Amino acid sequence: DAGVIQSPRHEVTEMGQEVTLRCKPISGHDYLFWYRQTMMRGLELLIYFNNNVPIDDSGMPEDRFSAKMPNASFSTLKIQPSEPRDSAVYFCASSFGPPGEGSEKLFFGSGTQLSVL
Amino acid sequence: AQSVAQPEDQVNVAEGNPLTVKCTYSVSGNPYLFWYVQYPNRGLQFLLKYITGDNLVKGSYGFEAEFNKSQTSFHLKKPSALVSDSALYFCAVRDNAGNMLTFGGGTRLMVKP
Repeated sequence: DAGVIQSPRHEVTEMGQEVTLRCKPISGHDYLFWYRQTMMRGLELLIYFNNNVPIDDSGMPEDRFSAKMPNASFSTLKIQPSEPRDSAVYFCASSFGPPGEGSEKLFFGSGTQLSVL
Repeated sequence: AQSVAQPEDQVNVAEGNPLTVKCTYSVSGNPYLFWYVQYPNRGLQFLLKYITGDNLVKGSYGFEAEFNKSQTSFHLKKPSALVSDSALYFCAVRDNAGNMLTFGGGTRLMVKP
């Protein structure tokens, strides 16, 4: 398996533009997580899905952020409009079963480095 | 609410020496504890976990961690550090009722030749 695949690896955009980050989880995994990593705030969980259904989006910072999972093999995180403070590395991760039960491993993608100018 | 503290932003160790990366946690009930490692420009990778059983857990790349319930700690250790161990290490915890991991702020390990 190729692992969790994220695209693009790097995204540079101007303030106010729409940004869409993409994730393909590992086949068969039923949990998908979106994290944001910054120097100031560390690793933050934004939202997670179970069987394509959003379970907890309390980490989504503002209404400008939205995430979808239309099917088991694809998820998007959208920021509209983007702001400079959204600059961060965004990670997608997937797992089979909740961490700690059965499969306790999260498998992370390589991340998308987002820079909003 | 569950939380994790990694009190050291950076740990410096000479190659061949033992290393310890500290982690303390707060959680309701019995904790599930994890260590992940992040190499430059990569996502986090699972190292080891404690769910139940023996307090000393062995993981990937020669790492181990010791669960100490009375001190609510889960320190990561390795008897002999390698330069290639240099990376960012994250401790994580979840309780036995929820699905989400809470990560610590990370500790940068620098192993010098």
